[in-house]
Amino acid sequence: NAGVTQTPKFRILKIGQSMTLQCAQDMNHNYMYWYRQDPGMGLKLIYYSVGAGITDKGEVPNGYNVSRSTTEDFPLRLELAAPSQTSVYFCASSAFTREQYFGPGTRLTVT
Amino acid sequence: KNQVEQSPQSLIILEGKNCTLQCNYTVSPFSNLRWYKQDTGRGPVSLTIMTFSENTKSNGRYTATLDADTKQSSLHITASQLSDSASYICVGINNAGNMLTFGGGTRLMVKP
Repeated sequence: NAGVTQTPKFRILKIGQSMTLQCAQDMNHNYMYWYRQDPGMGLKLIYYSVGAGITDKGEVPNGYNVSRSTTEDFPLRLELAAPSQTSVYFCASSAFTREQYFGPGTRLTVT
Repeated sequence: KNQVEQSPQSLIILEGKNCTLQCNYTVSPFSNLRWYKQDTGRGPVSLTIMTFSENTKSNGRYTATLDADTKQSSLHITASQLSDSASYICVGINNAGNMLTFGGGTRLMVKP
């Protein structure tokens, strides 16, 4: 299994641009999550999904959108990027209450 | 509001020494607590998962304890190695399993 994969690894955006961070898992996990981690800080939950077609807001959802059309994929969309969205973004998946498996992260800089 | 606080924020120890990291949590309704290790530039990797009925769980040189009464957990690392240098993150999970509360982490540096 490849586990949880994320693309791209790095990205620089200009203020106001949009982009989609891709996340895929091949473990048939129902639960998928998006987190952001600011330097020296803990992870904050942006959005999560408990299954295809179902998404819910986490702690810091503003400025982001998600969709979950398949079990495998959980893309995160940034519209109108702002400097405050400069962060490292981690996608994770789990089977219900089991442990979460994290992807390698996407480092995003908005200038 | 759910909270997880970790101490110390950072720690430097010599290779071969032991150390203990602390975690205080307020998560309701509480299901389980997890410790993750995060190497620089990588995603977190699970070390242990502890339910409220478990007091101690070991994973190699890592031993986690949980006191559900005081809502405290600790992670003890024995005979530290240079590869233990990482951030250690404590996470409280609610009983639906869909809301995780992350601590700020303890950054451990093991020096030769």
